[in-house]
Amino acid sequence: GQQLNQSPQSMFIQEGEDVSMNCTSSSIFNTWLWYKQDPGEGPVLLIALYKAGELTSNGRLTAQFGITRKDSFLNISASIPSDVGIYFCAGPQSNTDKLIFGTGTRLQVFP
Amino acid sequence: KAGVTQTPRYLIKTRGQQVTLSCSPISGHRSVSWYQQTPGQGLQFLFEYFSETQRNKGNFPGRFSGRQFSNSRSEMNVSTLELGDSALYLCASSLGGLTTGELFFGEGSRLTVL
Repeated sequence: GQQLNQSPQSMFIQEGEDVSMNCTSSSIFNTWLWYKQDPGEGPVLLIALYKAGELTSNGRLTAQFGITRKDSFLNISASIPSDVGIYFCAGPQSNTDKLIFGTGTRLQVFP
Repeated sequence: KAGVTQTPRYLIKTRGQQVTLSCSPISGHRSVSWYQQTPGQGLQFLFEYFSETQRNKGNFPGRFSGRQFSNSRSEMNVSTLELGDSALYLCASSLGGLTTGELFFGEGSRLTVL
């Protein structure tokens, strides 16, 4: 079945730095989503992408739907301590309505 | 408006017991889906209910079951608990279902099986 691989698995950065993470699949996705999970909470939707090549921003966050439809990227600019958490990519599995989540990127921000 | 509410937040059970978890979706949302989150396996889809009908099912054994009531509240049940069932169980509600991917998650029910 379809799988979503995220990299890096974890990141330790200093406050103020920019962050980049990506999500790749062996098959095509028609929708890419990015969620963030704070410690002890459920995931929260950050950005939804519906069109290949689409670039969407949400504050300091920018995500792109890869032109091949097999990948997506999330960038966070000028990181702050509250950016700490796990970032998941997700997408609806083709031919079904199941939502597949990536393996997650754990972000730690040091002051 | 009120978010997704899951109860209980924490529970401890022993092997062989069964457990029922509850989820109240956002008002007006008819789709409720359930996920198991573990450190090793990440977020795994369990099932989705829409208007009281199971619409999708993940690759979990029959010990995992669920249902949805007419008010869209949902419950999931795990019977004959095993140690490996220890996990955070997340419920998510959606207006249009899983294809939009726009899910609203609850805070989860953390199950520990001893």
